[in-house]
Amino acid sequence: GENVEQHPSTLSVQEGDSAVIKCTYSDSASNYFPWYKQELGKRPQLIIDIRSNVGEKKDQRIAVTLNKTAKHFSLHITETQPEDSAVYFCASPDAGGTSYGKLTFGQGTILTVHP
Amino acid sequence: EAQVTQNPRYLITVTGKKLTVTCSQNMNHEYMSWYRQDPGLGLRQIYYSMNVEVTDKGDVPEGYKVSRKEKRNFPLILESPSPNQTSLYFCASSLEVTGTQYFGPGTRLTVL
Repeated sequence: GENVEQHPSTLSVQEGDSAVIKCTYSDSASNYFPWYKQELGKRPQLIIDIRSNVGEKKDQRIAVTLNKTAKHFSLHITETQPEDSAVYFCASPDAGGTSYGKLTFGQGTILTVHP
Repeated sequence: EAQVTQNPRYLITVTGKKLTVTCSQNMNHEYMSWYRQDPGLGLRQIYYSMNVEVTDKGDVPEGYKVSRKEKRNFPLILESPSPNQTSLYFCASSLEVTGTQYFGPGTRLTVL
């Protein structure tokens, strides 16, 4: 099955700085890579995702890049604001075989943005 | 309003007392899954269902059961809960596994 590793586990930045979180995956056939944000006491919510036919996707201050050769994808947040403080999770589904449908999440990154 | 609901939201129980956590979605989603969230371990998938009557094990299925008799409901059953099942549980649904997961509000379970 898919193995997803997420780094760093904690990230502290000053307001206005950029933040980058990276995930590596094991299944070279994987084709969908979402990022979820979980604010304190809330449920996870999708913030951006990317499919394997593109290398980068942007949505205002957030972007996701995908390197299929190296099997990693990254979340980039520019001009960070205190409300970006949350736990961020990457995920990747098993691409096929008997475990198709299984969805593996990374261990999470606690992002703290200091005013 | 499109949503995923879970009940109960909080539950304190004792070892060995069977319990069920319900999950329901009103979006006609085919894919549903259960996760547990523990500090430092992220979200770990317990079971998932690709459609009615189709369920499969995730990464941590031991001690749990599920059923998918109807498209909208996906209950999680703990037949004999143990303290190591104390956790925050999330149900989620989506059109397909490669789509936006819509999470329920979570159920905080404590097993004494």
